[in-house]
Amino acid sequence: TQLLEQSPQFLSIQEGENLTVYCNSSSVFSSLQWYRQEPGEGPVLLVTVVTGGEVKKLKRLTFQFGDARKDSSLHITAAQPGDTGLYLCAGGRTYKYIFGTGTRLKVLA
Amino acid sequence: NAGVTQTPKFQVLKTGQSMTLQCAQDMNHNSMYWYRQDPGMGLRLIYYSASEGTTDKGEVPNGYNVSRLNKREFSLRLESAAPSQTSVYFCASSEGTVPNTGELFFGEGSRLTVL
Repeated sequence: TQLLEQSPQFLSIQEGENLTVYCNSSSVFSSLQWYRQEPGEGPVLLVTVVTGGEVKKLKRLTFQFGDARKDSSLHITAAQPGDTGLYLCAGGRTYKYIFGTGTRLKVLA
Repeated sequence: NAGVTQTPKFQVLKTGQSMTLQCAQDMNHNSMYWYRQDPGMGLRLIYYSASEGTTDKGEVPNGYNVSRLNKREFSLRLESAAPSQTSVYFCASSEGTVPNTGELFFGEGSRLTVL
């Protein structure tokens, strides 16, 4: 079993729609990061949140860290085909990072 | 700017063969990691090295060994490959701050098939 569970596992939506991806755990993390991965490449960092309740915005992407630092969400407004990819959350623990199961997003034009 | 470099990019092995995946970073990072990625499983941590001279087991260490050769290099060895080790392997590095808030930088991955 993985410490971090993401939902949904797959998401296919039309351009312009909004969506939310969830990352849940029963464990506390010192930080929570979101990465995006393109086919054939390694994941690339989108954002890091470190404070319970913290909200960060990156253009059309909004990230939230749960008050208890056990969960996080990623909300995309007006999705575009360029948002297509695998989204991964990662929880930071002393000296290591544990990744979630991933959400594969496809945005159709 | 090389960042994190992994070799080889592709490898096919027969069951029971051994091989070593090489990883090097040029960012003067303290911490290095090996992950494997399988469909529907995200990334699972195999081993990590918090600093030069130390290594620790991650979530799925069985069947693997690692060596932190120096600050730049971190290798992953499969002593006797099994079909269950067919996967894409990623090496990553970070500054290694405590608590862990720094960015992970990844290599391009090594696709391993064990027949």
